[in-house]
Amino acid sequence: DGGITQSPKYLFRKEGQNVTLSCEQNLNHDAMYWYRQDPGQGLRLIYYSQIVNDFQKGDIAEGYSVSREKKESFPLTVTSAQKNPTAFYLCASSPVAAGLGEKLFFGSGTQLSVL
Amino acid sequence: RKEVEQDPGPFNVPEGATVAFNCTYSNSASQSFFWYRQDCRKEPKLLMSVYSSGNEDGRFTAQLNRASQYISLLIRDSKLSDSATYLCVVNMRNYGQNFVFGPGTRLSVLP
Repeated sequence: DGGITQSPKYLFRKEGQNVTLSCEQNLNHDAMYWYRQDPGQGLRLIYYSQIVNDFQKGDIAEGYSVSREKKESFPLTVTSAQKNPTAFYLCASSPVAAGLGEKLFFGSGTQLSVL
Repeated sequence: RKEVEQDPGPFNVPEGATVAFNCTYSNSASQSFFWYRQDCRKEPKLLMSVYSSGNEDGRFTAQLNRASQYISLLIRDSKLSDSATYLCVVNMRNYGQNFVFGPGTRLSVLP
């Protein structure tokens, strides 16, 4: 079945440590996104990519980095510069070309906590 | 002003009630509109797209008023399983696709 796979489901980070969240999709979507959600709040955009080898900062990119070397994969690294990383992280994808349906499809999320 | 705003909630309604959620957006160039449903600590799932003519899917009806930059979602005959947070989503398309989420409105349907 086509879909988006995020891993791990739960992740713990020590102070000063970088951690990487995985996101893989087999929907053949061009665009991929990373969102952060804090308890009781809406989704905020961290980074997005419309095409391989290109990505753009979202509203809260500081302390995060991404890469888009393959169409299927869009990993997110939470660096030690992100001082408050505890949150629920959601990866999403969508087609880009008009007429293909522009809805967002989500992975099941990663809960990141600081030890 | 936030780009997408929603009723603050929470809404607590009895089974069988009709409930309406409102959403406003600030960018008049917004192209497309959606309602997503999110259960606690799960990913959002598309409930329905919102079209200018209005659209209905079973007990759910969505309306769009471009002149007022306003979107609504009506749920009739509420079920316990409708309890969730409802997210209003607007696609700004200022650089390819750019989906902006409202903060969500929490609904609890009570027995």
